[in-house]
Amino acid sequence: DGGITQSPKYLFRKEGQNVTLSCEQNLNHDAMYWYRQDPGQGLRLIYYSQIVNDFQKGDIAEGYSVSREKKESFPLTVTSAQKNPTAFYLCASSRGQGVQNTEAFFGQGTRLTVV
Amino acid sequence: GENVEQHPSTLSVQEGDSAVIKCTYSDSASNYFPWYKQELGKRPQLIIDIRSNVGEKKDQRIAVTLNKTAKHFSLHITETQPEDSAVYFCAARLNAGKSTFGDGTTLTVKP
Repeated sequence: DGGITQSPKYLFRKEGQNVTLSCEQNLNHDAMYWYRQDPGQGLRLIYYSQIVNDFQKGDIAEGYSVSREKKESFPLTVTSAQKNPTAFYLCASSRGQGVQNTEAFFGQGTRLTVV
Repeated sequence: GENVEQHPSTLSVQEGDSAVIKCTYSDSASNYFPWYKQELGKRPQLIIDIRSNVGEKKDQRIAVTLNKTAKHFSLHITETQPEDSAVYFCAARLNAGKSTFGDGTTLTVKP
């Protein structure tokens, strides 16, 4: 199913809680990304990682944190500092530097709702 | 950084007509331009892409054109069908760096 798996599909969070969204890929891709999608809007980049143990902030990193301890995994933590976390979160991966540009493969997404 | 603008935001066509979606980008160094289709509640999926050393690419009813001088690229869908109805996103990227997406175009194909 595309080789990139996000879990859970739906997630409910109480205000003030941190939650972690999982993203795993078995495509042997070096680069991984997290995007946020709000209704009627495009994809905004939260964080991205081009290699294990390294990651960079995207356009809307405030209130989020990531880790990249393994090539296959790039979990995203939504912290209590994120004031408006309700959104659809998409993880993606692609082949890394030194390789001719290729498409990004997306996971199925996690819909996070603050209750 | 890169900025991508996409137009129109909504597009309604009659089945069998053509649809054209346009994007402009700001960073002349960008060299990879994918187009994604996203059906409601699902993941975006690549439908076609073009690299900066190519001016046009076609895959059956879908084509993409790139004008590097003007920094714009367009998606063309011919003989539209109801199953083409979805949100379409363009993106621009430099090598293996981050992609910048347009805001999307909601295409509705009326039977």
